[in-house]
Amino acid sequence: DAKTTQPTSMDCAEGRAANLPCNHSTISGNEYVYWYRQIHSQGPQYIIHGLKNNETNEMASLIITEDRKSSTLILPHATLRDTAVYYCIVRVNNAGNMLTFGGGTRLMVKP
Amino acid sequence: DAGVIQSPRHEVTEMGQEVTLRCKPISGHDYLFWYRQTMMRGLELLIYFNNNVPIDDSGMPEDRFSAKMPNASFSTLKIQPSEPRDSAVYFCASSPTGWANTEAFFGQGTRLTVV
Repeated sequence: DAKTTQPTSMDCAEGRAANLPCNHSTISGNEYVYWYRQIHSQGPQYIIHGLKNNETNEMASLIITEDRKSSTLILPHATLRDTAVYYCIVRVNNAGNMLTFGGGTRLMVKP
Repeated sequence: DAGVIQSPRHEVTEMGQEVTLRCKPISGHDYLFWYRQTMMRGLELLIYFNNNVPIDDSGMPEDRFSAKMPNASFSTLKIQPSEPRDSAVYFCASSPTGWANTEAFFGQGTRLTVV
């Protein structure tokens, strides 16, 4: 699976949009971009994934650049409960293809 | 569904003792994964099963670690003998068939402390 690069940490004001970048310049054509987050003392939680089109669900939006070399996870109205480590992962959607976690971005939402 | 259930939530044991961690995956999920998380190494995949069969155990650190999945609803990760460096949070996750456009569901983890 392609490697990803994320900032180590970011701050965001409560109620504002949190934009978390991820660089995956070596991504292959059949690799998806996945985002998970891990709130303190909990297991990782799936957020969203996409291949090349932008995606939106009840938790977040995922914007993937046209060349697919980078993406941005957007939390439109961050709350204190969104404070967590956010992991960007690229992987092929094959049977048994497990998740490989990098260092992630530690997002701190501040009042 | 109650999600992935792990037990115990916390385990403190003395060096040299055997430790068994347990996991009940979500019903109907064909894949089961064991991860370990430490401050130094982050989240590492140890082993995963498909239909109760171990597929990839290349992440298992040493022969002291073993994992089994006797049936679709239960898996164990055993460390014998345990060492202080095994102290970590161990996560179990499950996923439906094929991973295609699906997510992995993680349990709450077992915090292991070996003294």
